[in-house]
Amino acid sequence: DGGITQSPKYLFRKEGQNVTLSCEQNLNHDAMYWYRQDPGQGLRLIYYSQIVNDFQKGDIAEGYSVSREKKESFPLTVTSAQKNPTAFYLCASRLMTSSYNSPLHFGNGTRLTVT
Amino acid sequence: KQEVTQIPAALSVPEGENLVLNCSFTDSAIYNLQWFRQDPGKGLTSLLLIQSSQREQTSGRLNASLDKSSGRSTLYIAASQPGDSATYLCAVFTGTASKLTFGTGTRLQVTL
Repeated sequence: DGGITQSPKYLFRKEGQNVTLSCEQNLNHDAMYWYRQDPGQGLRLIYYSQIVNDFQKGDIAEGYSVSREKKESFPLTVTSAQKNPTAFYLCASRLMTSSYNSPLHFGNGTRLTVT
Repeated sequence: KQEVTQIPAALSVPEGENLVLNCSFTDSAIYNLQWFRQDPGKGLTSLLLIQSSQREQTSGRLNASLDKSSGRSTLYIAASQPGDSATYLCAVFTGTASKLTFGTGTRLQVTL
């Protein structure tokens, strides 16, 4: 079955360490996105990529980095510069169409806890 | 800057009741609006997508409407069931940035 796989489901790290969250999709989607979800807040966009080897900052990119070396993969690195990294991270993808009729598909998320 | 609001934040209804969830957005220049469902600790599942040129979309017991000019959308759930209990989020797709702006969601509980 096609879908988006995020791993690991739970991740624990000590403060000051960088950590990389994995996102892989086999939907042949062009665009991929990383969102952060905190209790009581809507999803906030961290980074997105519409084509391989290109990506753009979202609303809260500070302290994060990404790469898009392959169409199916969009890993997110949470660096030590991110002040409040503990959150639920969601990866999503979308087929880019001229009619904007393609829904966003999500993975099951990675819950990151930094102590 | 686009802002999306969902009211109410939480809702509890008895099984079998019909209900309406509301979503409003500040910038009417949208390409589409999506409704999602999120179960606790899980990712989001797309329920319905309404393009800016459409007025409504239906899927089973779900019906979503869009009034772009007034910046409003509603999600109607008919004959609610306990399995409908989840958080429902709406999101609008705007601008050249190719991104969605999300509301904070309505947490729905359907009781027996």
